Amino acid sequence: QKEVEQNSGPLSVPEGAIASLNCTYSDRVSQSFFWYRQYSGKSPELIMSIYSNGDKEDGRFTAQLNKASQYVSLLIRDSQPSDSATYLCAVIRAGGTSYGKLTFGQGTILTVHP
Amino acid sequence: SAVISQKPSRDICQRGTSLTIQCQVDSQVTMMFWYRQQPGQSLTLIATANQGSEATYESGFVIDKFPISRPNLTFSTLTVSNMSPEDSSIYLCSVEDSLAPRGSTDTQYFGPGTRLTVL
Repeated sequence: QKEVEQNSGPLSVPEGAIASLNCTYSDRVSQSFFWYRQYSGKSPELIMSIYSNGDKEDGRFTAQLNKASQYVSLLIRDSQPSDSATYLCAVIRAGGTSYGKLTFGQGTILTVHP
Repeated sequence: SAVISQKPSRDICQRGTSLTIQCQVDSQVTMMFWYRQQPGQSLTLIATANQGSEATYESGFVIDKFPISRPNLTFSTLTVSNMSPEDSSIYLCSVEDSLAPRGSTDTQYFGPGTRLTVL
């Protein structure tokens, strides 16, 4: 089992729709969760961080965390063609030798079509 | 967030040679990280570089192949030694945001990356 798993997609949604991106992780002691966006040929750009169960909203983006289910998701409302990118889920375990170590999922390719 | 630059942005190298990649940050940061992103793949952590101590390498990565320097709190280098075509990747440095709000100090930001092609 991979430490962080995402549906590789591609996920295609029409402009204006809600895009839902999902991520599961295997290590229960994971404490910090991140969503990065990566455009082709560019480096990852942080979109959201979430640390506690529940929802966290920032503009059109909402991150949801459920530690009991080991599940984190990203919702993009009113999707725009400019949202077309690869979305990377990343996780940090708690403390010890894993401090600061980001473990990434394989990424989900999102395409928003006009 | 910190502004991170990397040099070179890309390079094409011959098999058996070495390339040193520089990462410069506009503010002092405690922790710097080096990642590799192979073609079509996600990111994999190579090592953590802390100033004043040896880098900590992840499983599958060794110091002889990827020596790292961290001479001060704003700069680090990663060398890819004795390169082979399998080393063709994007190499990225990242830093923790030391100015982030409490509870989010493990947020990492990435440099623009170095695209390496080995022939």
